[in-house]
Amino acid sequence: QAGLTQPPSVSKGLGQTATITCTGSTNNVGHEGATWLQQHQGRPPKVISFRRNNRRPSGISDRFSASRSGDTASLTITGLQPDDEADYYCSAWDSSLSAWVFGAGTKLSVL
Amino acid sequence: QVQLVESGGGVVQPGTSLTLSCAGSGFFFNDYAMHWLRQAPGKGLEWVAIIWHDGSQKYHGDSVKGRFSISRDHSKDTVYLHMSNLRAEDTGVYYCAREQYSDAFDLWGQGTLVTVSS
Repeated sequence: QAGLTQPPSVSKGLGQTATITCTGSTNNVGHEGATWLQQHQGRPPKVISFRRNNRRPSGISDRFSASRSGDTASLTITGLQPDDEADYYCSAWDSSLSAWVFGAGTKLSVL
Repeated sequence: QVQLVESGGGVVQPGTSLTLSCAGSGFFFNDYAMHWLRQAPGKGLEWVAIIWHDGSQKYHGDSVKGRFSISRDHSKDTVYLHMSNLRAEDTGVYYCAREQYSDAFDLWGQGTLVTVSS
């Protein structure tokens, strides 16, 4: 199944702002938006933004914000902290495939 | 305590079968659709299957279609992944996760490791 396209890595300094993009199609990201997940090494993933209205789950810092323009979703993290260093995945329901599709993940490094 | 607990992983030979279980507790399990996802060693996340909250619909990813099947037992608050004709590329950590009202993957289990090797 065709996946979503994310940059393999993003590097930013402590306190800076990082943006991770996720490009799909009108059948997935462009249709219902993207869900964003954070995964620290050796841990299960954690959702940080839901596709519906780009809502954050309770307990997720407002430093994390998601948006969408057409078939591209973006995750922006402001005031980068050491604990933000993780892998980030976007995902979306693909209405033509009747399947969830994922990006390959973006490794965020906080320098 | 709201949680999902996977079990059933292990080391199996290629071509054999295995069934994974995911038990939910601390929430009304039957209100949620349930997913299985997996992650090969050092690789990204791959979605495997979903079953609707009432079991009325099921969908599977292309890489497992025809070999894996998702099911659920409402009386046991448990979702299963029945895996057959296992291949080396099915090796990885298998996670279950829940979804309600388009809020997907809001709770994950700790995962269970499946290793397919001769």
